[in-house]
Amino acid sequence: EDQVTQSPEALRLQEGESSSLNCSYTVSGLRGLFWYRQDPGKGPEFLFTLYSAGEEKEKERLKATLTKKESFLHITAPKPEDSATYLCAVQAPGNTPLVFGKGTRLSVIA
Amino acid sequence: DAGITQSPRHKVTETGTPVTLRCHQTENHRYMYWYRQDPGHGLRLIHYSYGVKDTDKGEVSDGYSVSRSKTEDFLLTLESATSSQTSVYFCAIGKTSGGSSYNEQFFGPGTRLTVL
Repeated sequence: EDQVTQSPEALRLQEGESSSLNCSYTVSGLRGLFWYRQDPGKGPEFLFTLYSAGEEKEKERLKATLTKKESFLHITAPKPEDSATYLCAVQAPGNTPLVFGKGTRLSVIA
Repeated sequence: DAGITQSPRHKVTETGTPVTLRCHQTENHRYMYWYRQDPGHGLRLIHYSYGVKDTDKGEVSDGYSVSRSKTEDFLLTLESATSSQTSVYFCAIGKTSGGSSYNEQFFGPGTRLTVL
């Protein structure tokens, strides 16, 4: 069974304090790994897709990396507006539905 | 903006009543999905569709049915609502690339359903 585990469940950072969120996965043949941001009361917002180990993608203060067993979302010098829940999901081959982790709730304090 | 709307955005209903939630997209994507999101469980797939009249069950499909008679609309019906179906429901569309290999999903704003 495909599984996604995100850690930590919650993370509190001071503004400017860089850190990383972890997404560990087990899937039979990874087709894609997806990162989303979700603000309270809203739908998840797509951030990145990673397809193969070693791949990296960046967007503003966020950088996502992928290995064969996990992905990291690195947040460099975060600002309060980066506060949100970050979700990770994986897709197995064959157009199968995504399997989501439970998310990491990030709070950035000014 | 993926052009996804959900209606209603909020609904309160009573146990035993049928409820239908609507998802509408403006971009003619083939894949559409219904999820529920609950504290401690994350996003769980209820049903999905890969074309008009083509649907399949997800992880938590019991008590739910879906219909897709047009590409742009995907309906979720709670046949007889129960308190355990109180949740936030999200619709998503799948944008494929590389043929149909990769399926990036884009979500609607959600419907908050309360079953009393």
